[in-house]
Amino acid sequence: SQQGEEDPQALSIQEGENATMNCSYKTSINNLQWYRQNSGRGLVHLILIRSNEREKHSGRLRVTLDTSKKSSSLLITASRAADTASYFCATVPMNRDDKIIFGKGTRLHILP
Amino acid sequence: EAGVTQFPSHSVIEKGQTVTLRCDPISGHDNLYWYRRVMGKEIKFLLHFVKESKQDESGMPNNRFLAERTGGTYSTLKVQPAELEDSGVYFCASSQGFGRIYEKLFFGSGTQLSVL
Repeated sequence: SQQGEEDPQALSIQEGENATMNCSYKTSINNLQWYRQNSGRGLVHLILIRSNEREKHSGRLRVTLDTSKKSSSLLITASRAADTASYFCATVPMNRDDKIIFGKGTRLHILP
Repeated sequence: EAGVTQFPSHSVIEKGQTVTLRCDPISGHDNLYWYRRVMGKEIKFLLHFVKESKQDESGMPNNRFLAERTGGTYSTLKVQPAELEDSGVYFCASSQGFGRIYEKLFFGSGTQLSVL
């Protein structure tokens, strides 16, 4: 069954603006990961946040995790045309740390 | 370091035919995963190998799908006979960490399968 669900399904913003995507999940997790997929390419890992962490940064990316609400957000600051892609959150359940479950993704389009 | 490679990148077949997808994981990665994404839907788990053993094949849709991992190296996913609903992008991923996912997965570019 689907564990993570991203919101919104699609997002269009102007270049230079910030983009925020959200992910909600159902069961307790070991860690949560965000991936990016450019059209026709494989998924690329962006950032991993563990269940005992609340926030992580990597370049223009900021991820937060609220385990009480079972939700995470991905913020991309100062967006660029190259950020146009689909973004997926993926969760590793606490009771099944050999499994990683993806959501449907958010399609992000950066307008020039 | 070579990444995860998948072959072919695209495959167009007719209903009832057989197709075999191949995945070469990153050398030394014990974990190998197969996923499938049907357009607009989630990336769905198919199965997980740890070395040559099937750790979890709960996501395999039915017995028309057969996955193998010879000697714990490359893996193949065979669909026989293919049906229309098998169309989608099949992704392979690998990782270190013998059966556990404490770090990231490395994905291949996927095989776009179209069953007509």
